[in-house]
Amino acid sequence: DIQMTQSPSSLSASVGDRVTITCRASQYISTYLAWFQQKPGKAPRSLIYAASSLQSGVPSNFSGSGSGTDFTLTISSLQPEDFATYYCQQYHTYPWTFGQGTKVEIK
Amino acid sequence: QVQLQESGPGLVKPSETLSLTCTVSGGSTSSYYWSWIRQPPGKGLEWIGHIYYRGSTNYNPSLKSRVTISVDTSKNQFSLKVNSVTAADTAVYYCARVLPGSSGYYPYFDYWGQGTLVTVSS
Repeated sequence: DIQMTQSPSSLSASVGDRVTITCRASQYISTYLAWFQQKPGKAPRSLIYAASSLQSGVPSNFSGSGSGTDFTLTISSLQPEDFATYYCQQYHTYPWTFGQGTKVEIK
Repeated sequence: QVQLQESGPGLVKPSETLSLTCTVSGGSTSSYYWSWIRQPPGKGLEWIGHIYYRGSTNYNPSLKSRVTISVDTSKNQFSLKVNSVTAADTAVYYCARVLPGSSGYYPYFDYWGQGTLVTVSS
């Protein structure tokens, strides 16, 4: 299975901060990488697919980049509603696998 | 707006079969892929498998011998069965829609259901 490793596992940030989360795949996955946001007790919300394409309705302060094995999710200006856990997921090779999550907390 | 809703027993006894149904509204199961994902309490996400509307399936090898996913397009539903459950199968189970990629390959998630907690205990 392809291992997805996110860093950091958690971070503290303030409203208005620029936040970057990285995701590394153990094997080449081209740009078949998605990002999800999950708030406590809620379902994951799809944010980005194909490494950099925003899902419908996702605010433009979210962006994704990368290809091959290294990827980033950037929140350009953190909003109160953005405090959550973020997961990356590869869909290049079965079985699909997720990163362990990055929890973004309020500083 | 597409909505997905999981339903099924919240408590299953060890060695029995876990059965869940996902009902789709605002869209049709007569297209796309349909998937199940689970999340043990306090842990990360695990992809279980998905089904194409025409019936072909892909399963996670870690569960493949115990899992069946099926689709009923007449009811706009798809289902999950997990046999011989143990406490390790206790999790929130999510259903999700999976869109085909631009080339028809490499499908990806878009809409998710709210999830349902299934506890395996006697």
